[in-house]
Amino acid sequence: NAGVTQTPKFQVLKTGQSMTLQCAQDMNHEYMSWYRQDPGMGLRLIHYSVGAGITDQGEVPNGYNVSRSTTEDFPLRLLSAAPSQTSVYFCASSFSRREGFMNSRQFFGPGTRLTVL
Amino acid sequence: AQSVAQPEDQVNVAEGNPLTVKCTYSVSGNPYLFWYVQYPNRGLQFLLKYITGDNLVKGSYGFEAEFNKSQTSFHLKKPSALVSDSALYFCAVRGSNDYKLSFGAGTTVTVRA
Repeated sequence: NAGVTQTPKFQVLKTGQSMTLQCAQDMNHEYMSWYRQDPGMGLRLIHYSVGAGITDQGEVPNGYNVSRSTTEDFPLRLLSAAPSQTSVYFCASSFSRREGFMNSRQFFGPGTRLTVL
Repeated sequence: AQSVAQPEDQVNVAEGNPLTVKCTYSVSGNPYLFWYVQYPNRGLQFLLKYITGDNLVKGSYGFEAEFNKSQTSFHLKKPSALVSDSALYFCAVRGSNDYKLSFGAGTTVTVRA
């Protein structure tokens, strides 16, 4: 299994540009989420999904859109990039039917480092 | 709203000494608690999780965590730290009424030889 994969690894955007961060998992996990990591602030939840066709907002959803058309993929779209969106973005997935949803460990991707000029 | 506090930005210990990383939480309902570790330029890796009924939880790489319901704490511990334990550690919590997983700000652990 490849686990959780993210592309690209690095990206530089100009203010106002749009782009999509890709996330895919091959573990048949139902729960997927996007976090941003900023120094001194830990990980903050942007959006999450509990299954295909279902998404919901996290702590910091403004400026981001998501969709979940398949179990495997959970792309994050930046509509109009701003310097405040400079961050490292992590995608994660979880849900083991053996463990039960609430107690499942999360598997994280390697991250995407985004700089908005 | 649920939240996690890691009161120490940094913890410095000598190799061979015990290591403790503190975490307190606030949630509605029963807590689901986790510890993750992040090495430089890497994603987060799972260390351990709280399982109902076991106040002392054992995890990967010799780490353990002590759950204290009355103090709403879930401190991470290792009896004898290694230089290779130097990393960024995150505590995370999910309440029984919420799908969202909330993370603390992280604690940087430095173990000196």
